[in-house]
Amino acid sequence: GQQLNQSPQSMFIQEGEDVSMNCTSSSIFNTWLWYKQDPGEGPVLLIALYKAGELTSNGRLTAQFGITRKDSFLNISASIPSDVGIYFCAGQLGSWGKLQFGAGTQVVVTP
Amino acid sequence: DAGITQSPRHKVTETGTPVTLRCHQTENHRYMYWYRQDPGHGLRLIHYSYGVKDTDKGEVSDGYSVSRSKTEDFLLTLESATSSQTSVYFCAISGSWNTEAFFGQGTRLTVV
Repeated sequence: GQQLNQSPQSMFIQEGEDVSMNCTSSSIFNTWLWYKQDPGEGPVLLIALYKAGELTSNGRLTAQFGITRKDSFLNISASIPSDVGIYFCAGQLGSWGKLQFGAGTQVVVTP
Repeated sequence: DAGITQSPRHKVTETGTPVTLRCHQTENHRYMYWYRQDPGHGLRLIHYSYGVKDTDKGEVSDGYSVSRSKTEDFLLTLESATSSQTSVYFCAISGSWNTEAFFGQGTRLTVV
């Protein structure tokens, strides 16, 4: 099947630092989505990107849909303790909303 | 939560027994999905439904079947559970094919 490569696998950062993560694919996606998962919970949508080149912000989060439609990145600025969790990228395939997920980036924020 | 209830939340079952997981939604969304989550793999699509009695296979459908007799319910059945099906199972819903999917809280299934 298609592969989404998400990196880094984990990040240990200090409170107040910025965080960057990205996803690349060998295939083109119509939509890129970024989710966050807290322990024992389902993923929660953070940002959705619908057009190549699109740059979207949601509070301290900024994400971009790559021009080639094969990549996306997520930035978190001025991290806080509640940013701890696993962040997933997901690419939406052509129809029916089927999602291909990356393996996730574990973010740990230390005071 | 986007009006999604998964049941049971936890289950331990023996190899070879049938297991059914239920996803119930109150949003009247057309699309429903079952994913499984395993360490190092993210979430992988098992089956999905695009309407009552309309279902199709996802990436990892072997060993699983689904049914959707009502808009609000999407059932995932493991006909004969195996240890490789030990996982966390998530149901998701979306209103249309190109809108965001919202996830339930998950069902942790252990096959011993």
